[in-house]
Amino acid sequence: EVQVVESGGGLVQPGGSLRLSCVASGFTFSSYWMTWVRQAPGKGLEWVANINPDGSDKHYGDSVKGRFTISRDNAKNSLFVQMNSLRAEDTAVYYCARERVRPERFDSWGQGTLVTVSS
Amino acid sequence: AIQLTQSPSSLSTSVGDRVTITCRASQGISSDLAWYQQKPGKPPKLLIYGASSLESGVPSRFSGSGSGTDFTLTISSLQPEDFATYYCQHFKSYPLTFGGGTKVEIK
Repeated sequence: EVQVVESGGGLVQPGGSLRLSCVASGFTFSSYWMTWVRQAPGKGLEWVANINPDGSDKHYGDSVKGRFTISRDNAKNSLFVQMNSLRAEDTAVYYCARERVRPERFDSWGQGTLVTVSS
Repeated sequence: AIQLTQSPSSLSTSVGDRVTITCRASQGISSDLAWYQQKPGKPPKLLIYGASSLESGVPSRFSGSGSGTDFTLTISSLQPEDFATYYCQHFKSYPLTFGGGTKVEIK
């Protein structure tokens, strides 16, 4: 069974940093693009970033570019996002998802981890 | 960035009704579009990809159509478990974006 499980969320002050993790199982992690999507409380979905199978190609949403860094450790079936210079508007549930290609879609999602940015 | 506009933003309907949700892209995206269903407190669930391909395990009452800038998600006969919020998403170019969502509620 394909499964992705996020962790690392919590309360952080504005300007602070946080690193989220996502551990995958049930598929060959090193063969897939992976992505982060977030959802602010009561709001819609916002794509954050994605990364190719070997970690050499990364893309970011406009609102996080320069502040967030996506990475992966294929040996540990793990995906990460390092979030710096956090703002109140970064408060959201962060989802990790597997990305399929040709045609593209996000086909397996985790339950999410909540990040709250507040003083 | 490519903008996706969904309509309506919400609708009230009944079990058994046919439901159509539209998604309009600000520029042509070929068939690089997916649809997701999300229930409260749960992650999104993939329904349709490539504008019209049904994800494995998704009931056949769900269908997608369109290409270019105009797309539709149709539920042929709404079931109680279909009351949820639906989102479209494009994959044409970065940044990837989602539509604003359509909340399907019980009348």
